[in-house]
Amino acid sequence: DQQVKQNSPSLSVQEGRISILNCDYTNSMFDYFLWYKKYPAEGPTFLISISSIKDKNEDGRFTVFLNKSAKHLSLHIVPSQPGDSAVYFCAASRGYSSNTGKLIFGQGTTLQVKP
Amino acid sequence: DSGVTQTPKHLITATGQRVTLRCSPRSGDLSVYWYQQSLDQGLQFLIQYYNGEERAKGNILERFSAQQFPDLHSELNLSSLELGDSALYFCASSGGTSYEQYFGPGTRLTVT
Repeated sequence: DQQVKQNSPSLSVQEGRISILNCDYTNSMFDYFLWYKKYPAEGPTFLISISSIKDKNEDGRFTVFLNKSAKHLSLHIVPSQPGDSAVYFCAASRGYSSNTGKLIFGQGTTLQVKP
Repeated sequence: DSGVTQTPKHLITATGQRVTLRCSPRSGDLSVYWYQQSLDQGLQFLIQYYNGEERAKGNILERFSAQQFPDLHSELNLSSLELGDSALYFCASSGGTSYEQYFGPGTRLTVT
């Protein structure tokens, strides 16, 4: 049972344009969501997070949107840069409602930003 | 650099053997998490320790065990290894009231 899904295995965008990565979840008990970026041969790097009481969080070029009714979140990267090319993972947690912050990850989306 | 260290970086061993993976969390972080990433899988949660005590368990095999020591470093022990255990094993840590986890560089385990 895949509780967190990233339905697009890959995405290609032009440098300077917007990248939009999507993530769907099924468990309404999730109350905290995170995005990680991963380069080959490295561990995931934390990018940005959002709690379920918010619908938007911004950090520089990165913005995460949360639509609880649709159980959907998205990561917007504006403007996209070639260095953003990596695998992006969406993750969810029941951190506030349980005694653990364990993360449930999606399968990842490979973003390629073309110069 | 996340501040989380893992050793060794690579490990090659034979089926039936036992290995130990080591993780040192970021300074001050009390929680340590272990995740497995197989070739065609996303990251799967294995186990969490908080200040020396087991806090949560995922789909961790009975052949696998972990512990967290008083200095907060953690070890993941994998025994009776099978070919299917070949994977990347990541350790992550978090601290305080934050739910953001910071990952180490991982250990790539190859079972031949």
